[in-house]
Amino acid sequence: AQTVTQSQPEMSVQEAETVTLSCTYDTSENNYYLFWYKQPPSRQMILVIRQEAYKQQNATENRFSVNFQKAAKSFSLKISDSQLGDTAMYFCAFGALRAGGTSYGKLTFGQGTILTVHP
Amino acid sequence: EAQVTQNPRYLITVTGKKLTVTCSQNMNHEYMSWYRQDPGLGLRQIYYSMNVEVTDKGDVPEGYKVSRKEKRNFPLILESPSPNQTSLYFCASSLLIDEKLFFGSGTQLSVL
Repeated sequence: AQTVTQSQPEMSVQEAETVTLSCTYDTSENNYYLFWYKQPPSRQMILVIRQEAYKQQNATENRFSVNFQKAAKSFSLKISDSQLGDTAMYFCAFGALRAGGTSYGKLTFGQGTILTVHP
Repeated sequence: EAQVTQNPRYLITVTGKKLTVTCSQNMNHEYMSWYRQDPGLGLRQIYYSMNVEVTDKGDVPEGYKVSRKEKRNFPLILESPSPNQTSLYFCASSLLIDEKLFFGSGTQLSVL
């Protein structure tokens, strides 16, 4: 079974600064994909970024980037130039793929990190 | 507009009274799934469906049922709700499981 751990229940950052949210996972699978989702107070779930394990290059989306360390099973999210609208709960998620590339169908989320951006 | 419609948004019920939370998507997605969100536990997968008539258990399926008779609909059924099923529930869909998930707006369920 896969597990995903977000060890920081809460984080805070000043506007315009950089913050990193940590995520580690445990799996025996070699092929998988990882996500970061954001949940603002509206409780809507929004995809932030996606990474495939076979890709060595770290994914980036504007101010959001990941540091994917496959050997360490680590998938941290860096938010640069933090904005007030980044205040939200952030979830890391893991899904395994079969050898042929199809998914098992299961998706495992971490416990979440509440990020507060202060003006 | 591409969306996942989940109803109701809020529901208060009593122990043992059967209820159904509906979920419908208009994107012709093959994959649909249900999650519950609890403080300190994040989102946990209840059931998922890879296609019509194909459903499988997630990590916390006890006390829940699902069906996938049509591609667009994936209702969650609680046949005999109990207070430990009080939670925030999300339905989600995607074209492929490893692609972006589209989430419904959530259902806050309270079982008294």
